[in-house]
Amino acid sequence: GQSLEQPSEVTAVEGAIVQINCTYQTSGFYGLSWYQQHDGGAPTFLSYNALDGLEETGRFSSFLSRSDSYGYLLLQELQMKDSASYFCAVRVYGGATNKLIFGTGTLLAVQP
Amino acid sequence: EAGVAQSPRYKIIEKRQSVAFWCNPISGHATLYWYQQILGQGPKLLIQFQNNGVVDDSQLPKDRFSAERLKGVDSTLKIQPAKLEDSAVYLCASSAGTSGYEQYFGPGTRLTVT
Repeated sequence: GQSLEQPSEVTAVEGAIVQINCTYQTSGFYGLSWYQQHDGGAPTFLSYNALDGLEETGRFSSFLSRSDSYGYLLLQELQMKDSASYFCAVRVYGGATNKLIFGTGTLLAVQP
Repeated sequence: EAGVAQSPRYKIIEKRQSVAFWCNPISGHATLYWYQQILGQGPKLLIQFQNNGVVDDSQLPKDRFSAERLKGVDSTLKIQPAKLEDSAVYLCASSAGTSGYEQYFGPGTRLTVT
């Protein structure tokens, strides 16, 4: 079967750095995506890692280690607007297509 | 460009009633997805279309849920009859290609079954 684990909640202060971890067990693994979802809003794409290493996009970075079945999302210079849920999602190949399997999400609370 | 459109935004029905949701993906996006998101959980894929053909419906409760994508554009998801446990947000997403790692989500339909 497929499983993903991420912390349920993380709290940090404005201006700080926070890391959200994601471990997975899956077959047919292609890569790891990260999505942000504000309360009542739609998930929005943040980043994708297909290869080992770090991908940087502005204040956000994402890391993948395929050998450890592990990845993380790093958020720097935290702002109040970063308070949201963050989902890791594994891209897997099954049958005729690729699909995303989402984790249960990490609720990030940024405090002043 | 316009985003993914969904309607209605909210729906309240009684159990055993039927309901339908509509989705219009981003223009030109070949792949369309329907997800169910229960409060406090991540989105769960119900069905995936490539153009107007189904490529994955392994988690769709086919005894009560159905979906179609006519002409490879708009899509509808139907529940008949609804159960209390169907209360959730139903999200539609689309992606340009088949890789699917970057999907664009609509605002969702919040369904409450009483």
